[in-house]
Amino acid sequence: DGGITQSPKYLFRKEGQNVTLSCEQNLNHDAMYWYRQDPGQGLRLIYYSQIVNDFQKGDIAEGYSVSREKKESFPLTVTSAQTNPTAFYLCARTSPGQPVGKLFFGSGTQLSVL
Amino acid sequence: AQKVTQAQTEISVVEKEDVTLDCVYETRDTTYYLFWYKQPPSGELVFLIRRNSFDEQNEISGRYSWNFQKSTSSFNFTITASQVVDSAVYFCALRPASGGSYIPTFGRGTSLIVHP
Repeated sequence: DGGITQSPKYLFRKEGQNVTLSCEQNLNHDAMYWYRQDPGQGLRLIYYSQIVNDFQKGDIAEGYSVSREKKESFPLTVTSAQTNPTAFYLCARTSPGQPVGKLFFGSGTQLSVL
Repeated sequence: AQKVTQAQTEISVVEKEDVTLDCVYETRDTTYYLFWYKQPPSGELVFLIRRNSFDEQNEISGRYSWNFQKSTSSFNFTITASQVVDSAVYFCALRPASGGSYIPTFGRGTSLIVHP
């Protein structure tokens, strides 16, 4: 696998509820990313983090929040402000030992609204 | 600003046919990287290739080949003698090689369906 573990595989959200998607990496690498995938839309960047305690907004950060308290963990919270959260969410990392820019992806979380 | 266009939304072929997936990009960067990823039904994207902007050599890996043409800003991907296992969504991506935040831009993907 890509050294990235995402959980859960499927997640359901009720109206007005915040939900958190887990992303863990076990290879002590710095850069981690969250992408959202909608059918026919490709991958759109939500947030990314280059180092612990620092993260940057991507193209579609509204309605989402992240934290990076530990190098190995980069959880994504989908807040109630995100009015259209149904999508496939992918977490990724880069690796300094690989071709520059190569992304390693987790297996994704499918989020649906009840 | 960067942009990656994969104009083919879906391609359907019969096994053993050759198929080419198109990728056209726009960037103001003088040096950059181009990528192809494969997303099988399981959902996890898998890296296929990275190409540097200063290296226009075409590459072949088994049944896969890539044609990079800087003059037309294209980085096309050909699968020879397609197989059912090639059925997946394929993404082309672009990333600056220097400066900035090194964030890749993805195309919308091309869904390839290979029928037995």
